[in-house]
Amino acid sequence: QSLLTQPPSVSSAPGQKVTISCSGSSSNVEDNFVSWYQQLPGTAPKLLIYENNKRPSGIPDRFSGSKSGSSATLSITGVQTGDEADYYCEVWDDDLSAGVFGGGTKLTVL
Amino acid sequence: EVRLLESGGGLVQPGGSLRLSCAASGFTFSNYAMAWVRQAPGKGLEWVSGASTGTNTYFADSVKGRFTISRDNSKNTLFLQVNSVRAEDTAVYYCAKSLKYSSDGFDTWGQGTVVTVSS
Repeated sequence: QSLLTQPPSVSSAPGQKVTISCSGSSSNVEDNFVSWYQQLPGTAPKLLIYENNKRPSGIPDRFSGSKSGSSATLSITGVQTGDEADYYCEVWDDDLSAGVFGGGTKLTVL
Repeated sequence: EVRLLESGGGLVQPGGSLRLSCAASGFTFSNYAMAWVRQAPGKGLEWVSGASTGTNTYFADSVKGRFTISRDNSKNTLFLQVNSVRAEDTAVYYCAKSLKYSSDGFDTWGQGTVVTVSS
């Protein structure tokens, strides 16, 4: 049972917008920067968003992040079939002095 | 090009030990915190351990007292000593480079090394 709660799955039609939530607490999401990762089948995770809402170079602006209180959200606009993957939020937890990942959300593009 | 290359995985019996290595290249290794993240078959990502640029080390409760993380900045290599292994330690172990500090996200990942715990 992860300290960060994500929906197990979301689905979207191509071209639509999808959001993935990540719910934590005052010891993690509320007080620290949230990162988001995309993991395509059989590959290593890839950083999509860091410091709540910043994109590394090469990440399209279709991907965006936001945070409010102890919850964070990853938004994907103009969803493409190639976006089918697992998505994870991650943050440092001050009480544990350790990093924590959300349980992951599988995006299905219908 | 920034690269991380893990090695050292394999089949180990319950209660046994293993030493994982992560060779880094393409960046000033000593300037960045590093971490190990694992993924059990069919499961999500699990943060395992982190090493700061200094002497600080951090561990998930699930591995505390059994795993040790270290780094050799002269060889640009991160290590994970895995002791008293259990079946639930079976996973792909990824080495990851932090954006800067241990509390930051990870901008570079290795391809992973597989650890299988079985008798």
